[in-house]
Amino acid sequence: VQLVQSGAEVKKPGSSVKVSCKTSGGTFTNYGFTWVRQAPGQGLEWVGGIIPIVNATNCAQKFRGRVTITADEFTSTSYMELTSLTSEDTAVYYCARVNGGSSLFDHWGQGTLVTVSS
Amino acid sequence: SYVLTQPPSMSVAPGQTARITCGGNDIGSKSVHWFQQKPGQAPMLVVYDDSDRPSGITERFSGSNSGNTATLTIRGVEAEDEADYYCQVWDSSPAHAVFGGGTKVTVL
Repeated sequence: VQLVQSGAEVKKPGSSVKVSCKTSGGTFTNYGFTWVRQAPGQGLEWVGGIIPIVNATNCAQKFRGRVTITADEFTSTSYMELTSLTSEDTAVYYCARVNGGSSLFDHWGQGTLVTVSS
Repeated sequence: SYVLTQPPSMSVAPGQTARITCGGNDIGSKSVHWFQQKPGQAPMLVVYDDSDRPSGITERFSGSNSGNTATLTIRGVEAEDEADYYCQVWDSSPAHAVFGGGTKVTVL
């Protein structure tokens, strides 16, 4: 199983960013996918997730209205778009596969650094 | 919202046992998962459902969970265990993942 994320991004305040996460190995629709971010020198913060087979999404309350998580089963790719960026959104964004009844984050992407700077 | 509390750091000598705690209100009623993260790398699952290990994770890692505290134990600590460790649970209404603040383990 491999999750490969898109490359680093530099964005202006107020703009948007869309990060992709392509999965290989396993059947895409058998799993959920989640997004977790890590600001420089800080801990892990859950952003949100998607269950592609039912197209159900949810996200942390602080991101509601700013984040959109989608999935394309034909390319086995999940996407996370974050709008109205500020410098506080500067972080490494990770995708992870969500597996099983306990919703384990069992495989992770390599991370995508998003830098928000004027 | 649900809060998980971890000690920010700990030091342990090689060969000794490290016990990393994760505190939360009635955390014993939840399934706790633990991740190891080394510098510049993505997190890696090392214990799930309180005490199970994924395939390929050394038996030196174990977990327990009761009352208001979950614990990740690393026996016979080795230099390669030096990393940040995070606990994680799912909270409900609506369902969302919660991470502890992380514990930096330094091997002396």
